[in-house]
Parts: sequence; C-alpha cells; structure tokens
Amino acid sequence: GDSVTQTEGLVTLTEGLPVMLNCTYQTIYSNPFLFWYVQHLNESPRLLLKSFTDNKRTEHQGFHATLHKSSSSFHLQKSSAQLSDSALYYCALRVSFNKLTFGAGTRLAVCP
Amino acid sequence: ETAVFQTPNYHVTQVGNEVSFNCKQTLGHDTMYWYKQDSKKLLKIMFSYNNKQLIVNETVPRRFSPQSSDKAHLNLRIKSVEPEDSAVYLCASSLGQGNQAPLFGEGTRLSVL
Repeated sequence: GDSVTQTEGLVTLTEGLPVMLNCTYQTIYSNPFLFWYVQHLNESPRLLLKSFTDNKRTEHQGFHATLHKSSSSFHLQKSSAQLSDSALYYCALRVSFNKLTFGAGTRLAVCP
Repeated sequence: ETAVFQTPNYHVTQVGNEVSFNCKQTLGHDTMYWYKQDSKKLLKIMFSYNNKQLIVNETVPRRFSPQSSDKAHLNLRIKSVEPEDSAVYLCASSLGQGNQAPLFGEGTRLSVL
C-alpha cells in the first residue's frame, strides 16, 4: 500500500541554521500529491505546503519543498530556523481524493 | 466564520460506555474524514465520506461507527470504549480533488479510565 517515510524522531537545531526534514513516499500511482502539515503544541495539524507538478518548487512562510518523482521525495527546507518553527511536522501523501496517508512525523526543536 | 467545528473538546469516560463526537464543516466541502492521533502522535485515517457516502473504512474495531446526515456533518460513535481508544480524534474536510488538502478541526481528546 501507500506509505510515507520521514526523518525519524527529533531534530534539534540552533536558531539561524538551515532546516531540512526528509520525506520519501511509496505508491504505485503515477500522479501523487504531497503535503507538509505543521502541528504546534495543543493545536491541530495545519497545512504548510502542497506539491504542484514534478520538479516544481513550492513555498510558503519561508519554507519550501520540491516534488521529485524520480526519487519519490518531497523534502521540507528553510534557509534559517526560527524559535517559532519548533513544532511537529508531517509529510502526507494523497493518491485519491478520499484518503491522505501521513508519515510518522518529525519533531523540530529550535534552540537559541 | 468558515471552518471545521468539533464537539466536545474533551471527554472523560469509563470503559464500556458509549460516546459520540460531532463534526460540522461550513466550508462547502464534499469530503469529510475522521483521523485518530494516538499518544505517539501517529495520525491514522479511520473513515472518509464523500457526499454522505462512506468511501474509506480502514481497519478499525467494529465498536466505531461513523454517521453522516449530510455532506456538512460527520459524527463518530464509539459503542463500548476501551482503554486503547484514549486519543485525539480529528475531523477534517476537503474538496474531492487530488491536490486539495484537508483542513482539520481542533480535535476531541478522549480519555478512557
């Protein structure tokens, strides 16, 4: 079945350093859609980014990601981490309209 | 205000009781979902409905049953709760197109004593 694999566990960064959270996926469908959600403490997941066409970069709130079908990846990046970026990040895969499959989540902790 | 609304926010109950959670969306979406987020923060889909019809029914215990009166409402009933049902239940909605991202409600936190 469809699956999503993310950077495991906790990623700890110093403020100002670049962020990269890995996301790879597996599916038999040729036209997947990938999403990044962010969940802050005591909140529900909120959409951060969504993929467009193959090899096209998408950006929002300083974060960016590019869907690469050749490597089945949709890594999340940011040039400079901020304290407010500390949260749980989920990568999600959608191959049909009725189901979104989430990765296990990566917790990002940004320290001063 | 347009959003996904869930009630209650919290519910504490005892093993064996029946509970019901409500979800309403005012976004005009045609697809609604129930997800379970466990203590390890794993997000698993339970059910999804499109225009009131059940589309996805993942492997969940039979004591869970979704109920949809129209495309704006999707409720969840748990007939006889078990300790492992303690979790956050998240309702979401979206348009039924591949690149449309589901929008989540605030969630219902269930504690089973």
